[in-house]
This record gives sequence, C-alpha cells and structure tokens, in this order.
Amino acid sequence: IAGITQAPTSQILAAGRRMTLRCTQDMRHNAMYWYRQDLGLGLRLIHYSNTAGTTGKGEVPDGYSVSRANTDDFPLTLASAVPSQTSVYFCASSPNREGNEQFFGPGTRLTVL
Amino acid sequence: GQNIDQPTEMTATEGAIVQINCTYQTSGFNGLFWYQQHAGEAPTFLSYNVLDGLEEKGRFSSFLRRSKGYSYLLLKELQMKDSASYLCAVLDSNYQLIWGAGTKLIIKP
Repeated sequence: IAGITQAPTSQILAAGRRMTLRCTQDMRHNAMYWYRQDLGLGLRLIHYSNTAGTTGKGEVPDGYSVSRANTDDFPLTLASAVPSQTSVYFCASSPNREGNEQFFGPGTRLTVL
Repeated sequence: GQNIDQPTEMTATEGAIVQINCTYQTSGFNGLFWYQQHAGEAPTFLSYNVLDGLEEKGRFSSFLRRSKGYSYLLLKELQMKDSASYLCAVLDSNYQLIWGAGTKLIIKP
C-alpha cells in the first residue's frame, strides 16, 4: 500500500441496507477524516479522528458512524442507507490536525436507491 | 455561520494567466489551503498560507490577506492539464477544514 486507499470504488445499495466504506493509510498519520462531496457543494466533513482511539463529529454526522481501532484504519458505516446519502465519499489523513496538508484517498461513489 | 466564496466557473486561454479569488468568513483562522481536483479524482494539495503575503511554487502562487478574509490562487503559463476544479479551504478554530464549492477552470486552446 502506498498512501491512502478506499474500498469499494463504487457501490449501488438498496435503501435500508447497512454499508461499511473502508479506508486504510500506511503513512502513520495521526488524523483521519471522512468527507462527502455533492455537486455544487464543498466537501463536507462527516466524522474525524485526531488519533487512534478517538473520534469526533463533523458538519454532517447523522446517519453515519466511525471507529478508529488502530492508526491505519478508519471505516465509515451507514447503518441504514437512505437516498440522500448518495454521494462521493472521500477519506483523508494528515500527520496531525494542526495546519497539515490532508492526503485524500481515491473516493467511493455510493448510490442509494 | 461559516462561509467560503469562490467563483463557480472560469475560462482562460492556454498560455495565459488566471487568478481565482476566494473570500471567507470563518470561526477562527489557522491557515488557508488550495487544492486541485481533476474530474473524477481526489483533491490534491497545491498550497498553504497562514501569514499574509504571496507563496510561490512554480507556475502556481497563492496570496493571503487575513484582514480582508481574502485569498487568491494565481496560475501562470496555463496548460491544458490545468483544466480542473480549484478548491479553497480554511482551517477554523477547531482545526476543521471548511471548504468552498470549488471553481471549475476551463482552459481553451
């Protein structure tokens, strides 16, 4: 692995189903983030983690949950998907939260029908 | 509330210079970032400004004036590969990035 990866690349999901988006980084970054990107809107922060074992809510956390059991992995779970969660999801990481460049994964395109 | 404003779309000619403006109103300020995002791809870092002034990096420069809540990204000697969206983002007092909607830059031959 080089950098930050996400899986799956894309997914079509029926409403009401549970889905976990995976994110893994090998840069030993402390901070990790989940964003969603919708047409005409800026990236919006869903959840973040400043260090392994801690998580926090961003701007749009409802309907999503995260965990940070170790430094490398930061999965995002949709407990019961709804059509408004159709979006492109980006995971990102940075060495620390203060003023560091964020490195982005390639994104997951999720469609909820 | 927090707000980042930048033009939705700009058009420029190959070889020319273009300036993309960004104005912001945020809860605190811990720096301003510019990212480039090609269609269908992830954002990639271009620049970071935390003090007033101009930061130059090759063909790209970024300027910050904190008292005005204002920044611009200057792209020189435009190439077709510069066709992309340019995202302005501010790190607020909680160290969370607040993002603008992005400026789609179209380069014409």
